[in-house]
Amino acid sequence: EADIYQTPRYLVIGTGKKITLECSQTMGHDKMYWYQQDPGMELHLIHYSYGVNSTEKGDLSSESTVSRIRTEHFPLTLESARPSHTSQYLCASSELTPGETQYFGPGTRLLVL
Amino acid sequence: AQSVTQPDIHITVSEGASLELRCNYSYGATPYLFWYVQSPGQGLQLLLKYFSGDTLVQGIKGFEAEFKRSQSSFNLRKPSVHWSDAAEYFCAVGPHWGSQGNLIFGKGTKLSVKP
Repeated sequence: EADIYQTPRYLVIGTGKKITLECSQTMGHDKMYWYQQDPGMELHLIHYSYGVNSTEKGDLSSESTVSRIRTEHFPLTLESARPSHTSQYLCASSELTPGETQYFGPGTRLLVL
Repeated sequence: AQSVTQPDIHITVSEGASLELRCNYSYGATPYLFWYVQSPGQGLQLLLKYFSGDTLVQGIKGFEAEFKRSQSSFNLRKPSVHWSDAAEYFCAVGPHWGSQGNLIFGKGTKLSVKP
């Protein structure tokens, strides 16, 4: 059973607010990911990490930032939320080896007014 | 360029009928291939994956997929669909052993099941 958690599950917030989306996993995975998913669209990788103190930008440019201070924790922060940030954000983790299964959290649905 | 195409945006099948979801990919070398399922309000769950060897791969929940190199396809099949299979299905490709990179997902196929 994969254990990866995201909080909050739903967030409605006003423009200009700072938000942090939390993601934690208990599997000891080194690699973690953040994806952005809009309805009817593919998942777009926005950030990933190979381990502690490692952060990389994904294929889709994003104004968000991430940090990886602990193996199990990979939060995503938006310094100033805008309506264009409205989307679903999915966190995932995996072993480092290419082709390893990615385990996904339930996602955070963000609505910026 | 690397890409994944799922030609069908939405498919409706009757419960008990067979199902085939299409996936075509463009990749520089033989990639690893995956099918994930996403139920409403949930994250993605791996159904099956192909690395090498037997081109017919068995997965969870009675699903299987066949890799056809000549057609660059990895179609997902199920002989008899259950109402609980209604969900969105994503095909993905990833780098093979020894390569770097991340998964590339298709846009997904939404499956509806009629009683």
